[in-house]
Amino acid sequence: DVKVTQSSRYLVKRTGEKVFLECVQDMDHENMFWYRQDPGLGLRLIYFSYDVKMKEKGDIPEGYSVSREKKERFSLILESASTNQTSMYLCASSRLSYGYTFGSGTRLTVV
Amino acid sequence: GQNIDQPTEMTATEGAIVQINCTYQTSGFNGLFWYQQHAGEAPTFLSYNVLDGLEEKGRFSSFLSRSKGYSYLLLKELQMKDSASYLCAVRGRGSQGNLIFGKGTKLSVKP
Repeated sequence: DVKVTQSSRYLVKRTGEKVFLECVQDMDHENMFWYRQDPGLGLRLIYFSYDVKMKEKGDIPEGYSVSREKKERFSLILESASTNQTSMYLCASSRLSYGYTFGSGTRLTVV
Repeated sequence: GQNIDQPTEMTATEGAIVQINCTYQTSGFNGLFWYQQHAGEAPTFLSYNVLDGLEEKGRFSSFLSRSKGYSYLLLKELQMKDSASYLCAVRGRGSQGNLIFGKGTKLSVKP
């Protein structure tokens, strides 16, 4: 069964900390995505990647960066966590023209 | 601009039929997806339409009219486990794979 694995289900971090959210897929998918999901706002795209070492900004990239050194791994970095980054973070992967497979999500709380 | 609209909430009775509508305005069109998301979990793929017409998959069907920018998800013989949010998502032409999501419709199935 295809899988997208996110390293943490729940995470609590302090304001100002540097936070790493890891995502690994075992399907050899070219595309990987990071979204955040907030009540009333739906899923919003932060960053995505079409290939190793390639990255593109989504709709809300401010305060975030990403890294894709290997095809199977896509990391989201919060350079200096703030309380408005408290959210559910969802990673997804896909082949070029197919739908997404989502990870189980990381619920991040910044205090 | 790009916009996807779907009702915020719907309620239906166990055993009944419910139709969840989605209208979209996007720069180009290269497929429409429906996802199901139970509370606290990741979205899971339900259906995909790229041509006009109805796609049936068991109790779930999805319809697309590209000329009207309109889709619906039809759920038959509702079960309590169908209580979830249903997300409509569109891939625009040339968007290299990333989906634009609606805010989701929360469906409550009552006995």
